[in-house]
Amino acid sequence: DAGVTQSPTHLIKTRGQHVTLRCSPISGHKSVSWYQQVLGQGPQFIFQYYEKEERGRGNFPDRFSARQFPNYSSELNVNALLLGDSALYLCASSLYDSTYEQYFGPGTRLTVT
Amino acid sequence: AQKVTQAQTEISVVEKEDVTLDCVYETRDTTYYLFWYKQPPSGELVFLIRRNSFDEQNEISGRYSWNFQKSTSSFNFTITASQVVDSAVYFCALSEAYTGTASKLTFGTGTRLQVTL
Repeated sequence: DAGVTQSPTHLIKTRGQHVTLRCSPISGHKSVSWYQQVLGQGPQFIFQYYEKEERGRGNFPDRFSARQFPNYSSELNVNALLLGDSALYLCASSLYDSTYEQYFGPGTRLTVT
Repeated sequence: AQKVTQAQTEISVVEKEDVTLDCVYETRDTTYYLFWYKQPPSGELVFLIRRNSFDEQNEISGRYSWNFQKSTSSFNFTITASQVVDSAVYFCALSEAYTGTASKLTFGTGTRLQVTL
C-alpha cells in the first residue's frame, strides 16, 4: 500500500506570495495533521482534520489555513509568506485521531526568499 | 501544557556500541501516549513505537528497546549493537488523549545520533 504522499517536494516562493501544499493520506486513514519543522527543531503542530472537520489548531497565525476533502486528502494554504515560513512541512495521517500511530509523508521543503 | 525534553543534542558512537537516547516528558493528564520517531537525512519521519500511559512494560523489537518509567516521566530508547544505518535524528513525542477533539503530537527537539565505523 502507498504511504502518505505530499506535493510538491520542494518549493521556492517570494515574500508576500501564497502557497498551497497537498497531502494524500494512507488509504483508509481519516485523519490528517500538518506540522511545520524548522531546521534543527522538532515538528510543530499546525492543524488536525478528522472526517473533513478541523479538530485542532496550533499556535500559528491566520495566514495559515487548511481543509480536508471528501477523499480525505488535504491542502495547507499559507498567505502573505514571510521569510520565517521557510521550513519542512510535514503531513501525517492516522486511522482516527493522533493518539493512534501517525504516519508521516516525505514533506514539502518550502523556501521563502 | 505538555512538554517533551530531549537533553542530548548529539551523540556519537562507534558501530556495535549500545546507545541510549533520553526522553523526559511533562503532562497533567493521566491518559497519554508516547512515541518515538526516526528522521534519516531524507527527512521523512519514520514511526518506531507508540506506548500508552497505562502500559509500563518495557518493549523490545530487534535491536531496539524502550524503557517507560512513569515515576520519573521518562521514556528512554536504547539501540543495541548500533549500526551506521542507525544514524539519524530521533524524536520523542507526546500526545494527550482527548475524545472527540484534536489531540496533537508534541515533539522534543530531537537527538542526532552519529554511528561511525
